[in-house]
Amino acid sequence: QKEVEQDPGPLSVPEGAIVSLNCTYSNSAFQYFMWYRQYSRKGPELLMYTYSSGNKEDGRFTAQVDKSSKYISLFIRDSQPSDSATYLCAMSAGYQKVTFGTGTKLQVIP
Amino acid sequence: EAGVTQFPSHSVIEKGQTVTLRCDPISGHDNLYWYRRVMGKEIKFLLHFVKESKQDESGMPNNRFLAERTGGTYSTLKVQPAELEDSGVYFCASSHPTSGRAKNYEQYFGPGTRLTVT
Repeated sequence: QKEVEQDPGPLSVPEGAIVSLNCTYSNSAFQYFMWYRQYSRKGPELLMYTYSSGNKEDGRFTAQVDKSSKYISLFIRDSQPSDSATYLCAMSAGYQKVTFGTGTKLQVIP
Repeated sequence: EAGVTQFPSHSVIEKGQTVTLRCDPISGHDNLYWYRRVMGKEIKFLLHFVKESKQDESGMPNNRFLAERTGGTYSTLKVQPAELEDSGVYFCASSHPTSGRAKNYEQYFGPGTRLTVT
């Protein structure tokens, strides 16, 4: 069983829709939770970073962590065509090594 | 501020040959990481340097892979001899020195080196 499970998609939504991306994990030691965005042929770009459980908002992006359910989410409000990319969840136990999900490919259609 | 750079962007080699990948981290970043993504799989950790010292090399697949970071600046990852299963995208990332929890996990990634072994 993988430590981090993420639906690879693809996920296709119309412009302006609310997007919900999710990951589950099995390692109770994970304390730091991140979402990366990756455009084609580019490196991952850190979008959101959360420590332990709770919510964090940054503009149109909201990250949620539920440690009791081992479940994390990223919400994108008012999605734009420029949001089309692969979104990677990632997490760490605090020892610098980061474990990634496989990524969800998102397409926002104008 | 220049980001993490990697060279080459793409390398095609034959099985049994040697390839050396290079990573230049963001200036002042003591932490440097190597990751790899093989086709259809998730990005996986290979190893972590703090300055010139290997902090964690638990993800290195076997002794055909050798990473160095002389002088604590740029790093190289050598694969010798290359095998077909080594094909994939190799990412390098760097982060600030340890100075509080938030700083540790803002890893900035390079564009990756796409390695194809034929």
